[in-house]
Amino acid sequence: KQEVTQIPAALSVPEGENLVLNCSFTDSAIYNLQWFRQDPGKGLTSLLLIQSSQREQTSGRLNASLDKSSGRSTLYIAASQPGDSATYLCAVFEEGYSTLTFGKGTMLLVSP
Amino acid sequence: NAGVTQTPKFRILKIGQSMTLQCAQDMNHNYMYWYRQDPGMGLKLIYYSVGAGITDKGEVPNGYNVSRSTTEDFPLRLELAAPSQTSVYFCASNAGVWDTGELFFGEGSRLTVL
Repeated sequence: KQEVTQIPAALSVPEGENLVLNCSFTDSAIYNLQWFRQDPGKGLTSLLLIQSSQREQTSGRLNASLDKSSGRSTLYIAASQPGDSATYLCAVFEEGYSTLTFGKGTMLLVSP
Repeated sequence: NAGVTQTPKFRILKIGQSMTLQCAQDMNHNYMYWYRQDPGMGLKLIYYSVGAGITDKGEVPNGYNVSRSTTEDFPLRLELAAPSQTSVYFCASNAGVWDTGELFFGEGSRLTVL
């Protein structure tokens, strides 16, 4: 059974720092990996989607990488801002299955 | 460009009452999902559907029912509401492996059972 782990569970940084959030998964036979953002009391917003054939995706200050063979993905946030404070979740869509497996998320706090 | 629409956004139920959470998507997605999220916890899959007329249980289906009569709609029914069903419910959809598989979420329905 696919398991997705996100480390750290919580992270607090001062504004301006570059930071890395980690996501690991146990079965490398995935169709894609997706990073989401969730603000308190809100729904999930898709940030980046990486197909299994891709190594990375970028959107603005965000860069997500995927290493299928090692079962790892990282989300890099450059020059963090207080508005980046949220919970970040990763999810994998496994080959041969119809459902996604989610990690429990990393709660990020960026202080001014 | 509505995406995934959930109604209602908020609801308070008394123990034993029943209700239906509505979910509709306008992206012609085959796959639709219902999740619940309890405070400080991750997402748990309740039910999912890979197409009209096809539904399947997720990890926490007890106390819920679903139907999928059209591609667009995937309602979630709560029968005999219990306090343990107090949660935030999210509906999501994607095109499965016939497209990128990107998952889109609704804004959520916050349910309180008293």
